[in-house]
Amino acid sequence: GESVGLHLPTLSVQEGDNSIINCAYSNSASDYFIWYKQESGKGPQFIIDIRSNMDKRQGQRVTVLLNKTVKHLSLQIAATQPGDSAVYFCAENMRGSARQLTFGSGTQLTVLP
Amino acid sequence: GAGVSQSPSNKVTEKGKDVELRCDPISGHTALYWYRQRLGQGLEFLIYFQGNSAPDKSGLPSDRFSAERTGESVSTLTIQRTQQEDSAVYLCASSLASGGGDEQFFGPGTRLTVL
Repeated sequence: GESVGLHLPTLSVQEGDNSIINCAYSNSASDYFIWYKQESGKGPQFIIDIRSNMDKRQGQRVTVLLNKTVKHLSLQIAATQPGDSAVYFCAENMRGSARQLTFGSGTQLTVLP
Repeated sequence: GAGVSQSPSNKVTEKGKDVELRCDPISGHTALYWYRQRLGQGLEFLIYFQGNSAPDKSGLPSDRFSAERTGESVSTLTIQRTQQEDSAVYLCASSLASGGGDEQFFGPGTRLTVL
């Protein structure tokens, strides 16, 4: 979801449960989507990506789902661990002369013991 | 090899001073990006370099901001006459190419505080 000002959307889950983080993207011309994880004091770290010709892609403990009809992206984390606590950003990449990423505002995931 | 490095990691300056931030991309990466991240927010694109092409400066917020890149190596982001609103983390990323869908690798960022 979108954040307003300094208030990031937050998600708290119990260790071992599954997490689902949602993101709405803005541009129907976007053809490549990425999820990044950002721990405190560090730069974003690539998690998983998906192209617009796909609906689902799986990685290790993570799955990304893409719904182009409603311009929605989700990240599912299986068996969430304390090390998964971080801010998660979705980013879209629009076809064009420049390939900069457009980032969402992020979701703070907190894993409870 | 080493990842993207940035220096300094932290910079505190007084309003009105100029600052220069440095980024060393991953060797062989032709594309380089600068982003700004304000506290609790997502990343804002600032500028993009691809090889020897003219940079895409469409994200620079004002003419106080400029950036240079030497060939396909180090880049510097310069902010002149800094303002308190410039306080943020400045992140640099590089990628192999910019043909679409190439993963961007981020540095740890430079935290700029303007007093």
